Amino acid sequence: SQQGEEDPQALSIQEGENATMNCSYKTSINNLQWYRQNSGRGLVHLILIRSNEREKHSGRLRVTLDTSKKSSSLLITASRAADTASYFCGREEEETSGSRLTFGEGTQLTVNP
Amino acid sequence: DAGITQSPRHKVTETGTPVTLRCHQTENHRYMYWYRQDPGHGLRLIHYSYGVKDTDKGEVSDGYSVSRSKTEDFLLTLESATSSQTSVYFCAISETGGVLGELFFGEGSRLTVL
Repeated sequence: SQQGEEDPQALSIQEGENATMNCSYKTSINNLQWYRQNSGRGLVHLILIRSNEREKHSGRLRVTLDTSKKSSSLLITASRAADTASYFCGREEEETSGSRLTFGEGTQLTVNP
Repeated sequence: DAGITQSPRHKVTETGTPVTLRCHQTENHRYMYWYRQDPGHGLRLIHYSYGVKDTDKGEVSDGYSVSRSKTEDFLLTLESATSSQTSVYFCAISETGGVLGELFFGEGSRLTVL
């Protein structure tokens, strides 16, 4: 099993709106990373948040982490058509060796111009 | 862009044949990974390596083997390909194993097993 989920599975918004994607997990984590995947391409790293952090920003991206709820969210503000992609969270889980990330199914974001 | 090259990028093969996918990096990163991506399953880890000749299984390792004889190359072998192994395979590398840093992904190898 994936030991976690991103939701929603698909999200369609208009340009200029904000997009929020969520990631939940079942075991304790050391860190959590968000990645983006354009159609037919490999994943590209967006942002890493450690288990002792609650919020991080990078440009139009804002990531939050709530370890008590075992969840994280990725907010993309003022979305653009170029933000259309799939977004994945990768979790480094405490129970596995500290060298691997576990991914879920991702959220497919479509930003309509 | 991180220097990761996957080959072949596309392959069609028949059930029962062996297949080897190659991942080559020019970054001298210690960690290398093979994931497969399938609709409805996201990315799942097949095998990974934490050094030359040091490998370990991921969550979907059955039917796959790996080898890493040099820092720069990580080979994934399907010993006898089955239709269930039709997928897109991604190689990733990391300097720190994901603990403090990011994974860099290749462009993927699309494998079709008939």
